[in-house]
Amino acid sequence: DVKVTQSSRYLVKRTGEKVFLECVQDMDHENMFWYRQDPGLGLRLIYFSYDVKMKEKGDIPEGYSVSREKKERFSLILESASTNQTSMYLCASSTEQRGNTEAFFGQGTRLTVV
Amino acid sequence: GNSVTQMEGPVTLSEEAFLTINCTYTATGYPSLFWYVQYPGEGLQLLLKATKADDKGSNKGFEATYRKETTSFHLEKGSVQVSDSAVYFCALSDNSSNTGKLIFGQGTTLQVKP
Repeated sequence: DVKVTQSSRYLVKRTGEKVFLECVQDMDHENMFWYRQDPGLGLRLIYFSYDVKMKEKGDIPEGYSVSREKKERFSLILESASTNQTSMYLCASSTEQRGNTEAFFGQGTRLTVV
Repeated sequence: GNSVTQMEGPVTLSEEAFLTINCTYTATGYPSLFWYVQYPGEGLQLLLKATKADDKGSNKGFEATYRKETTSFHLEKGSVQVSDSAVYFCALSDNSSNTGKLIFGQGTTLQVKP
């Protein structure tokens, strides 16, 4: 079974803390993504990476950074957590196939910032 | 830029009713189109896809046809079951690069009652 694994299902952090969300995939995929999911807004892309050490901003990168030191692992970092970053965070991965890309998702991390 | 618009939910149906969830898109070029489903407490999984105009994607009794003339990809099922209760996301991929980036609609919640 192909798998994208996120390190935590639920997290509660305090305002101002530095938060790390980890994602690992076992499919040797080139592309990895971080989305946040909010009611009525669907999924919005925060950052993505198409290769080790490569990253590109998505639609809402402010307040976030990412790290991809190894192909299978993509980390999302909240430098100083704020209450408006309370959300569901979804990691995904896909292969480098133009036009036929199926993304595989992790189960999500529900982050609450208090 | 590229975007996806879905009908607002929630959609509440009785078991065995006919389902339509509308999806329209705006895109340059020739995107691939997808429907993803998110069951309660889980991440997203691919339901079906279509990669060119007039293609029909189908899976588990669900169907959607890629209509370039109306820029639509409506999801249909002839007879829904309680187990189909979930959130459904329409998405498109940008075929101009190999990054596999997906753009999602806001999601439509389907509730099926016995």
